[in-house]
Amino acid sequence: SQQGEEDPQALSIQEGENATMNCSYKTSINNLQWYRQNSGRGLVHLILIRSNEREKHSGRLRVTLDTSKKSSSLLITASRAADTASYFCATAPKGIEDSWGKLQFGAGTQVVVTP
Amino acid sequence: DAGITQSPRHKVTETGTPVTLRCHQTENHRYMYWYRQDPGHGLRLIHYSYGVKDTDKGEVSDGYSVSRSKTEDFLLTLESATSSQTSVYFCAISEYQTGLSAGYGYTFGSGTRLTVV
Repeated sequence: SQQGEEDPQALSIQEGENATMNCSYKTSINNLQWYRQNSGRGLVHLILIRSNEREKHSGRLRVTLDTSKKSSSLLITASRAADTASYFCATAPKGIEDSWGKLQFGAGTQVVVTP
Repeated sequence: DAGITQSPRHKVTETGTPVTLRCHQTENHRYMYWYRQDPGHGLRLIHYSYGVKDTDKGEVSDGYSVSRSKTEDFLLTLESATSSQTSVYFCAISEYQTGLSAGYGYTFGSGTRLTVV
């Protein structure tokens, strides 16, 4: 079963706008990661936030984590056409022995950035 | 993707035939994973390996087996392919166990698109 669920499922914006997507998860985690997947390609690791962190930045990416609400958000600022991709959150569950060390992925948010 | 290759990239096979997918890495990473990706399901873990000859099942392991005889190679075998195994298969590697609080990301291959007819 999926641990993380992204919202919205799809997002269409224009270049220069910000894109925000959310991820909710069910169980306690050690860390949460965001990945990007361009059409027909493998996933690329974007950013990792640990359970004791609340916010993290990497270039135009900003990730927040609220462990009390079991949710995270990914903000892409000043979007570009090249940001068109699917974005996935993945969680590293904590305290579940048979899931330890195995990332669990959501179904993804498909982002389309039009010039 | 640098350091990890999957073969073949595309394959069409008939129901009931065995199929083996290969993942090869040049990063000398200890951990290797096989996921399948289906619309609406995200990525689901099939099997993973934490060392040579050390493997364990994921959440959708039925109908699949794996082997890792060398650090660099992780093979996924569909023992008798079924139409429900039509999917895109991704291999991933990581240097350290991602369950640690420190946390590490995965590096993914480009995937194998498998069609079972």
